[in-house]
Amino acid sequence: EAQVTQNPRYLITVTGKKLTVTCSQNMNHEYMSWYRQDPGLGLRQIYYSMNVEVTDKGDVPEGYKVSRKEKRNFPLILESPSPNQTSLYFCASSPGGRLDYGYTFGSGTRLTVV
Amino acid sequence: AQKITQTQPGMFVQEKEAVTLDCTYDTSDPSYGLFWYKQPSSGEMIFLIYQGSYDQQNATEGRYSLNFQKARKSANLVISASQLGDSAMYFCAMRPLYNFNKFYFGSGTKLNVKP
Repeated sequence: EAQVTQNPRYLITVTGKKLTVTCSQNMNHEYMSWYRQDPGLGLRQIYYSMNVEVTDKGDVPEGYKVSRKEKRNFPLILESPSPNQTSLYFCASSPGGRLDYGYTFGSGTRLTVV
Repeated sequence: AQKITQTQPGMFVQEKEAVTLDCTYDTSDPSYGLFWYKQPSSGEMIFLIYQGSYDQQNATEGRYSLNFQKARKSANLVISASQLGDSAMYFCAMRPLYNFNKFYFGSGTKLNVKP
């Protein structure tokens, strides 16, 4: 089944404790992206990647890191999480080349930082 | 700057009636794609319908149709014959061709279908 897999689904952590949210897609998509969803703000792009070793900042990159060492994986790293990073996070992937290729989303990771 | 506006934070509709969810956008790119996603209470994002900026006809997918008015920069989602399972959050999104990495979302509309 074609899908984007994120783990974990739920995570509660303490301020300052480094964490990684994993994301993997099995569709050979070039584009991958991370979003955070907050009430009243919709989804905002954190980082995106156009292919292996090619990443760039989205609209809200502060406090996050990413890497794309393999085409299928795009982990999101929070080096020192803070309570304002409590949010619902989505990983998404898309093939390139055509506008009608929208993003396929993972199931989401609900992160709480206390 | 690219921007998506959904002015209806919440809406109610009676089961079996039609409902329109509003979406306006702002872009200087001449070519772009418009998308609608559904997010049920379980949280996943489900693709509903796509409209290209150069498409001559409004997109339709089953009970979903997109009322695309390019001059007004609006892309409203119409759901016909609402069902209880349509109760969810709905997001409008845009992807500009010349900034293909970007995917801009509106703030969403929470639709409640009443029996």
